[in-house]
Amino acid sequence: EDQVTQSPEALRLQEGESSSLNCSYTVSGLRGLFWYRQDPGKGPEFLFTLYSAGEEKEKERLKATLTKKESFLHITAPKPEDSATYLCAVQAISGNQFYFGTGTSLTVIP
Amino acid sequence: EAQVTQNPRYLITVTGKKLTVTCSQNMNHEYMSWYRQDPGLGLRQIYYSMNVEVTDKGDVPEGYKVSRKEKRNFPLILESPSPNQTSLYFCASSLAQTHEQYFGPGTRLTVT
Repeated sequence: EDQVTQSPEALRLQEGESSSLNCSYTVSGLRGLFWYRQDPGKGPEFLFTLYSAGEEKEKERLKATLTKKESFLHITAPKPEDSATYLCAVQAISGNQFYFGTGTSLTVIP
Repeated sequence: EAQVTQNPRYLITVTGKKLTVTCSQNMNHEYMSWYRQDPGLGLRQIYYSMNVEVTDKGDVPEGYKVSRKEKRNFPLILESPSPNQTSLYFCASSLAQTHEQYFGPGTRLTVT
């Protein structure tokens, strides 16, 4: 069964304190792994797509990486405006269905 | 402005009273999808559509119907809502090639 697990559930960082969020997945052939950001009361916002092991994508203070079993979202020198819930999703190669993790709630304290 | 719109944003209804939540996108996206988001369970896919007149079940389709008669619209129909369908619902759309989904603002549904 296709499955996505994110850890930790919640993370509190001081401004400038770098860290990583983890997304472990089990899927029968990966077509793509997606990262989204969700602010309270809003719909998720697309960040990155990764397709194959070894791939990396960067955007401002965020960098996403992918291995055959997991993905990491690295946050370098975070700012309070990076506070949000970060969601990971996978798409299996067999279809057009998506499986989301339950997210990591990030709080960056000034 | 590129966007996905949903209506209504908030809805309180009673068990068994049929309702429709509308979803519309202005980006000419082929792929559209409905999700529900519940605490501790995350986002779960209800139905999706690859194009007009093509729909498929997601992970939790029971109790829901959809239709895709036009490319821009993808309504979610609850023919006999029950309290366990109380949830936050999101519509999303994307190009079929990239699947970078744009999400709507959400519809908070309460069934009493």
